[in-house]
Amino acid sequence: EVQLVESGGGLVQPGRSLKLSCVASGFTFSNYGMNWIRQAPGKGLEWVAYISSGSSYIYYAETVKGRFTISRDNAKNTLYLQMTSLRSEDTALYYCASPRYNYWGQGVMVTVSS
Amino acid sequence: DVVLTQTPPTLSATIGQSVSISCRSSQSLLHSNGNTYLNWLLQRPGQPPQLLIYLVSRLESGVPNRFSGSGSGTDFTLKISGVEAEDLGVYYCVQSTHAPYTFGAGTKLELK
Repeated sequence: EVQLVESGGGLVQPGRSLKLSCVASGFTFSNYGMNWIRQAPGKGLEWVAYISSGSSYIYYAETVKGRFTISRDNAKNTLYLQMTSLRSEDTALYYCASPRYNYWGQGVMVTVSS
Repeated sequence: DVVLTQTPPTLSATIGQSVSISCRSSQSLLHSNGNTYLNWLLQRPGQPPQLLIYLVSRLESGVPNRFSGSGSGTDFTLKISGVEAEDLGVYYCVQSTHAPYTFGAGTKLELK
């Protein structure tokens, strides 16, 4: 059974940093690109970032470019999202998802507030 | 960036009614490799999204065949042939042809 489990969320002050993790199991993680998607409270889905299987291709939404860094450790079956210079508008439930969007984690909440 | 415009924003339906949702793209979603990376997702309240349709018209495994997708280029449609109670929620189209990838704003399907 495929599982994606996010962690690392919480309450953080504006301007601070946070690193999210997504541990994958049940499939060959190293063969697949991965996405981060977020959803602000009561709002729609917003694509955040993508990384290819071997980390050669990385893309970001304009809203996070220069502040967020997506990375992965294929040996640990883990996807990461390093978030810096956090703003109140980054408050959201963050999901990791497979490239075809057929597998999603349950999400991890990030709240940016003083 | 590619803008996906979903209409209508809200859809009221009775059980058994057939409905359609439109997703229009600001540019063609035909990739240079010949694929069109346009998917449809359903998000039920309190749940992560669920994939319904990928590559415009391919039904994801386990998804009922009352769901169908069609379209090409910039115009795409999701059709539900006979709404059931479990179909209520918010539907999103998402494109992965052009980075940055983008979602539509969503269409909320409600019971009339």
